[in-house]
Amino acid sequence: NAGVTQTPKFRVLKTGQSMTLLCAQDMNHEYMYWYRQDPGMGLRLIHYSVGEGTTAKGEVPDGYNVSRLKKQNFLLGLESAAPSQTSVYFCASSYNVWGGRQETQYFGPGTRLLVL
Amino acid sequence: GESVGLHLPTLSVQEGDNSIINCAYSNSASDYFIWYKQESGKGPQFIIDIRSNMDKRQGQRVTVLLNKTVKHLSLQIAATQPGDSAVYFCAVSDQRRSSGSARQLTFGSGTQLTVLP
Repeated sequence: NAGVTQTPKFRVLKTGQSMTLLCAQDMNHEYMYWYRQDPGMGLRLIHYSVGEGTTAKGEVPDGYNVSRLKKQNFLLGLESAAPSQTSVYFCASSYNVWGGRQETQYFGPGTRLLVL
Repeated sequence: GESVGLHLPTLSVQEGDNSIINCAYSNSASDYFIWYKQESGKGPQFIIDIRSNMDKRQGQRVTVLLNKTVKHLSLQIAATQPGDSAVYFCAVSDQRRSSGSARQLTFGSGTQLTVLP
């Protein structure tokens, strides 16, 4: 199993450009998440999804949109990129089973985004 | 809202010594706690977790201690090895702010552990 994969690994954008980050997981997880990580800070939740066709806002959702058309994929979109969105973006996924290790979130390798 | 802080941004230990990384949280209703390890250029990797109904949990070379009275969490690594060099994050979750078992995690800022030869 590949686990959680993210595409692309690195991207440079100009202010105002748009792009989509792709996350894919092959663990049959119901839940998927998008986080951003800035220097000297922990990860912050942008959006998450509890199932195909559903999305919800996290801690820092402004400027981002998401879609979960297929269970294994979770897309993060930036419609009009801003320098403040320069960050490393991580996708994660988890099961929908209560308790034990099933609530653990498994992370992808990250996408480094630079907005000029 | 929840805030999570780590006591030391950096920690250096000699190879073979034990390491202790600390974390403090603010929300007394937090009920799920996780430690992640992040190596340079990689995503966070799960190490160990603990629930609020426990005080201690052990894994392979790692132990997590939870003190709910003072809202403090620690990660102990026994016989630290060069491969343990990484940034360690604690994350906490409050079931009331989560959607079922889709936990909304609040992360600390991380402690950089350096293992000296």
